Amino acid sequence: KAGVTQTPRYLIKTRGQQVTLSCSPISGHRSVSWYQQTPGQGLQFLFEYFSETQRNKGNFPGRFSGRQFSNSRSEMNVSTLELGDSALYLCASSLLEGPIQYFGAGTRLSVL
Amino acid sequence: QQQVKQSPQSLIVQKGGISIINCAYENTAFDYFPWYQQFPGKGPALLIAIRPDVSEKKEGRFTISFNKSAKQFSLHIMDSQPGDSATYFCAAILNSGNTPLVFGKGTRLSVIA
Repeated sequence: KAGVTQTPRYLIKTRGQQVTLSCSPISGHRSVSWYQQTPGQGLQFLFEYFSETQRNKGNFPGRFSGRQFSNSRSEMNVSTLELGDSALYLCASSLLEGPIQYFGAGTRLSVL
Repeated sequence: QQQVKQSPQSLIVQKGGISIINCAYENTAFDYFPWYQQFPGKGPALLIAIRPDVSEKKEGRFTISFNKSAKQFSLHIMDSQPGDSATYFCAAILNSGNTPLVFGKGTRLSVIA
């Protein structure tokens, strides 16, 4: 079974631009969560989607948004990029019930 | 407010030695405690996990010790190998999975020959 797939793996953007990241969960997984990983703050929860609905949301500004499609694939968008948005963005998927989350390799975003 | 505190930040262990990483949590509602291992350029991978109804769980060279009254848990890596060099994250979550994982800040482990 294929794992969690995130595209693209690397992105370079400039301040003020916007970016869209994509995540394809493991087949059969219906919950998708997004995390931001930085050296200073570690892994921080952004939001979680289940059945196309946002079920949980972390403490990030409204510039960070996401959505989930009917096939469980998810996208996250960051508008008006800031230098501090440079990070590894990780997507994790899980089954309907249960705490086990499986992570993708992440998208490395660099904002110049 | 950091709900899961992890120490040490970095750890250097000789090959064949024991690596010990400690975590403490605050929210007593947490009832599933996984450890993730992350290599450079990769996402975190689930290594081992424990529920609070047991005090210890062992899988190969990896053991979790859990102290519910102290709200602490730790990862022991026996016979540490250079291939174990990675960043380790402890985490906590409700067993239902309806809430997000809360991570410690990570421990960078280096196993030297």
